[in-house]
Amino acid sequence: QTVVTQEPSLTVSPGGTVTLTCAFSTGAVTSGNYPNWFQQKPGQAPRALIYSTSIKQSWTPVRFSGSLLGGKAALTLSGVQPDDEADYYCLLYYGGAWVFGGGTKLTVL
Amino acid sequence: EVQLVESGGGLVKPGGSLTLSCAASGFTFSDGWMSWVRQAPGKGLEWVGRIKSKNDGGTTEYAAPVKGRFTISRDDSKNTVDLQMNSLKTEDTAVYYCTRGGSAVVVPATIRPGYWHFDLWGRGTLVSVSS
Repeated sequence: QTVVTQEPSLTVSPGGTVTLTCAFSTGAVTSGNYPNWFQQKPGQAPRALIYSTSIKQSWTPVRFSGSLLGGKAALTLSGVQPDDEADYYCLLYYGGAWVFGGGTKLTVL
Repeated sequence: EVQLVESGGGLVKPGGSLTLSCAASGFTFSDGWMSWVRQAPGKGLEWVGRIKSKNDGGTTEYAAPVKGRFTISRDDSKNTVDLQMNSLKTEDTAVYYCTRGGSAVVVPATIRPGYWHFDLWGRGTLVSVSS
């Protein structure tokens, strides 16, 4: 079974920079896994941020960026704001299906 | 208004069946692929499956835990996508979201509309499987 791993939790200070990563149990994440990133706040549906590694949705703030980093997909937040506190999920394409990571709880403190 | 609205959730006994429906409005539903995603209480997101547009063959793909038990179908005349769930298990308890997308490749809308990337979500509908 394909497993996608994210950091369970991260803490960042307001104005700081943080990178969330997304790894495959089977090997390196590549552009062919078309990484997507989502933000979810309590009681809300997920909101799409990034698709195909680094392409932003029209509403995605400039401070969010996606990349591949050391065999993983990465989501970097620069100039973090208190409103960025949320759960973040990556989604990878593998073998014709999609697989979500377990999610990262980002605390802004 | 561009939106997705799920319905059909509720309480069902293990082994039972339930059909969820997602009504789309405000966009050309028939253009694109649609997916279902679920979230168990207090847990993360889990992709359930997707259905292609009729232009792309209308075929379906499912996650391993639901393959053979769940079926996704679409009615482009009604702008709806359904999730039929059979042989339900307690571990199927979750909020089920309908979302626009499921294709991996990036195709500009000016060339071929409908290759969305999970950019629109419904509010979800809760399915509880319990005796």
